[in-house]
Amino acid sequence: DIQMTQSPSSMSASLGDRVTITCQASQDIGNNLIWFQQKPGKSPRPMIYYATNLANGVPSRFSGSRSGSDYSLTISSLESEDMADYHCLQYKQYPLTFGSGTKLEIK
Amino acid sequence: EVQLVESGGGLVQPGRSLKLSCVASGFTFSNYGMNWIRQAPGKGLEWVAYISSGSSYIYYAETVKGRFTISRDNAKNTLYLQMTSLRSEDTALYYCARGELGNWGQGVMVTVSS
Repeated sequence: DIQMTQSPSSMSASLGDRVTITCQASQDIGNNLIWFQQKPGKSPRPMIYYATNLANGVPSRFSGSRSGSDYSLTISSLESEDMADYHCLQYKQYPLTFGSGTKLEIK
Repeated sequence: EVQLVESGGGLVQPGRSLKLSCVASGFTFSNYGMNWIRQAPGKGLEWVAYISSGSSYIYYAETVKGRFTISRDNAKNTLYLQMTSLRSEDTALYYCARGELGNWGQGVMVTVSS
């Protein structure tokens, strides 16, 4: 199975900060990665598809990138509504596997 | 508008069975593979199972293989998850999600406890 190692597990940042969350894949997944945002009591919402493609309706301050086996979600300028949990998912092969999640809090 | 509505959850004793349903609307259900994904309280997401549009391809997480069965009825626009030999570690909010994971239901809670 493909392991997705996500970091950090939690972080606190100030409004306007640039924030980066990373997932490392244990084997090649190509760009077959989705980033989800999950707010308390809500279902996950896809933010980035295929590692770098913004989902419909997602603000342009969100972006995805890849460097080798490391995949990153970046928020260029943090807003209060971005407080949420973030999860990565690889869909290169079954079983699909998620990262362990990142709780993003606002300072 | 795509809608996925799960039902069938509840409190069940260890070792017992439960069947979840997910009714789909707003899209041609028979054209899409479907997934079950779960989230234990305060924990991350865990993919559980996938079924292709025509039920030809089915995959399970190792943690549920042999105990859970995913199925679908395209005439009824409904996805199912039959869960047997339930364990305390199966306690979670269970979501159904359309194949590409762009649409999720609101989730249904399953609690396994004596």
